[in-house]
Amino acid sequence: QVQLVESGGGVVQPGRSLRLSCAASQFTFSSYGMHWVRQAPGKGLEWVAVIWYDGSNKKYADSVKGRFTISRDNSDNMVFLQMKSLRAEDTAVYYCARDPGDGSWYLQHWGQGTLVTVSS
Amino acid sequence: QSALTQPASVSGSPGQSITISCTGTSSDVGGYDYVSWYQQHPGKAPKLMIYDVSNRPSGVSHRFSGSKSGNTASLTISGLQAEDEADYYCSSYTRSSTLVVFGGGTKLTVL
Repeated sequence: QVQLVESGGGVVQPGRSLRLSCAASQFTFSSYGMHWVRQAPGKGLEWVAVIWYDGSNKKYADSVKGRFTISRDNSDNMVFLQMKSLRAEDTAVYYCARDPGDGSWYLQHWGQGTLVTVSS
Repeated sequence: QSALTQPASVSGSPGQSITISCTGTSSDVGGYDYVSWYQQHPGKAPKLMIYDVSNRPSGVSHRFSGSKSGNTASLTISGLQAEDEADYYCSSYTRSSTLVVFGGGTKLTVL
């Protein structure tokens, strides 16, 4: 059974940085693209970023471009989201999700999420 | 404002069928067969219900079906059950630099 476990969330002041982690297990991690998706309190889903299976390509939502960096460690089965210059509007539950690994564009498996609160 | 447009809410009685629409453009929904649908119960992570427009993952009830016509995709739930009450989100690949877009979500109420 695919497992994705996010960690690293918490309360952070505006302008500061935070690094989220997602530990993957029960599948061949290096064969799949990984995404981050967030959900502000009471709001809908917002796609944040994707990293290719081998880390060769990364894409970001316009709202986080230049501030967030997605990365992965295929030897440790981990994907990360480095968040800088955080703003109040970045407050959300952050989910990591796995793609199907066949070139299609859907999120087949999701973690349980980690809450990031940006507040002074 | 979300890139894909969904109705904010829909409702139906047990046993009835409902359809949720998801309208985009030729740059996303209309241009690719990469539309997916997710169900989310309160406080839970989203769950994939439909992928590539009309495919059901293993374990998802046959009561859920997807389709697409032009720039609008649809999720139909037949034989509504109480446990279907949830938020539903559509998503699509987009040729823009962001690659993935979501709809604003639709709250399904089972009366």
